[in-house]
Amino acid sequence: KNEVEQSPQNLTAQEGEFITINCSYSVGISALHWLQQHPGGGIVSLFMLSSGKKKHGRLIATINIQEKHSSLHITASHPRDSAVYICAVRLGEETSGSRLTFGEGTQLTVNP
Amino acid sequence: DAGVIQSPRHEVTEMGQEVTLRCKPISGHNSLFWYRQTMMRGLELLIYFNNNVPIDDSGMPEDRFSAKMPNASFSTLKIQPSEPRDSAVYFCASSFTRASTEAFFGQGTRLTVV
Repeated sequence: KNEVEQSPQNLTAQEGEFITINCSYSVGISALHWLQQHPGGGIVSLFMLSSGKKKHGRLIATINIQEKHSSLHITASHPRDSAVYICAVRLGEETSGSRLTFGEGTQLTVNP
Repeated sequence: DAGVIQSPRHEVTEMGQEVTLRCKPISGHNSLFWYRQTMMRGLELLIYFNNNVPIDDSGMPEDRFSAKMPNASFSTLKIQPSEPRDSAVYFCASSFTRASTEAFFGQGTRLTVV
């Protein structure tokens, strides 16, 4: 069983739809990251969170530490949101240079 | 800051040749990570350094792979000899040592071994 599991693997939506991508993890973590990878290949960090909720524009990320679960929401989706969204958890203690463990990614396609 | 800088962006080499990938982390970051991304396996951690010291190299596939960080502003990932199955995108990322900070990725090096 992977330490980090994302769902769905693939998601197709119409422009304007509300989108949710889920991430579950099985071990204790110090932080969780949501990353975006565009077709060109570059990876951008969207959020880093260890509790609660963060919002940036149309993107919202939430995490429930007790349930070991995080969600990434996109409101009013747009074709330019089409990308692979990757959940990554940082294992280890707060002060150590611990590594990221990645989910398999969710391929999002937003059609006009 | 220009972000994490990797070079080259693309590399095509023949099987058996030595390949060196380079990374300049963001100034002030203490942790540096090398990742490999393939269609089959997704993103995998190869090795990470903390304060220039390798902390976890358990992801390095085999002895053909080696990584160095001679100073805080430069790291290399070397493959010798290269094989076609090494073809992948190799990402370098850096962050502050504290776990609760963002990781910043370079643009990646697309390696093709023919």
